[in-house]
Amino acid sequence: QVQLQESGPGLVKPSETLSLTCIVSGGSISSYYWSWIRQPPGKGLEWIGYVSYSGSVNYDPSLKSRVTILVDTSKNQFSLKLSSVTAADTAVYYCARGEALRHSDYFDYWGQGNLVTVSS
Amino acid sequence: SSELTQDPAVSVALGQTVRITCQGDILRTYYASWYQQKPGQAPLLVIYDKNNRPSGVPDRFSGSRSGNTASLTITGAQAEDEADYYCNSRGSSGDHLVFGGGTKLTVL
Repeated sequence: QVQLQESGPGLVKPSETLSLTCIVSGGSISSYYWSWIRQPPGKGLEWIGYVSYSGSVNYDPSLKSRVTILVDTSKNQFSLKLSSVTAADTAVYYCARGEALRHSDYFDYWGQGNLVTVSS
Repeated sequence: SSELTQDPAVSVALGQTVRITCQGDILRTYYASWYQQKPGQAPLLVIYDKNNRPSGVPDRFSGSRSGNTASLTITGAQAEDEADYYCNSRGSSGDHLVFGGGTKLTVL
């Protein structure tokens, strides 16, 4: 059974960089797409971006200038960095495994989520 | 505003059938995937691709598409189906991913 586990600080100061890591267990990271998705308190899901096992990336256009997602296949993990954060970046951050088919995409395994609060 | 549009809230009587919809031009080309989210929990995939259910998802959940609208149907809704439901597909340009705004389902 594939499991994903996010880790990282729960509090980040405004203007600093948010950094999270997702460790994948029970399966190899050397396939699929590996995404970050966030959910502000009381609001809906927002896709941030993904990295493939080969390192190719795709980011949401509204966050592209501030986001970096990297994969480390040797450690079976991938990471998120979001720079210049503001209170609007306060959210539960999820990592998820994604699959891209010819005419559809989906996320079949999710981490439990990591609440990150941006505050001084 | 989201490129995928969902009704904010829907209700259904216990045991009845409910359809939750997701509208977007990209859905004429791509299928939607559907996620169930209960309070304090991570989303759970319930439908993907044309109409596929992951192992463990009850067969009362089904998916369909007509024109620019994808639908998640729950046939014989149960109390435990009360949750938020999100659709997901490509963005309008086809090169990034988006979620719908979510639908809160109440089972009466």
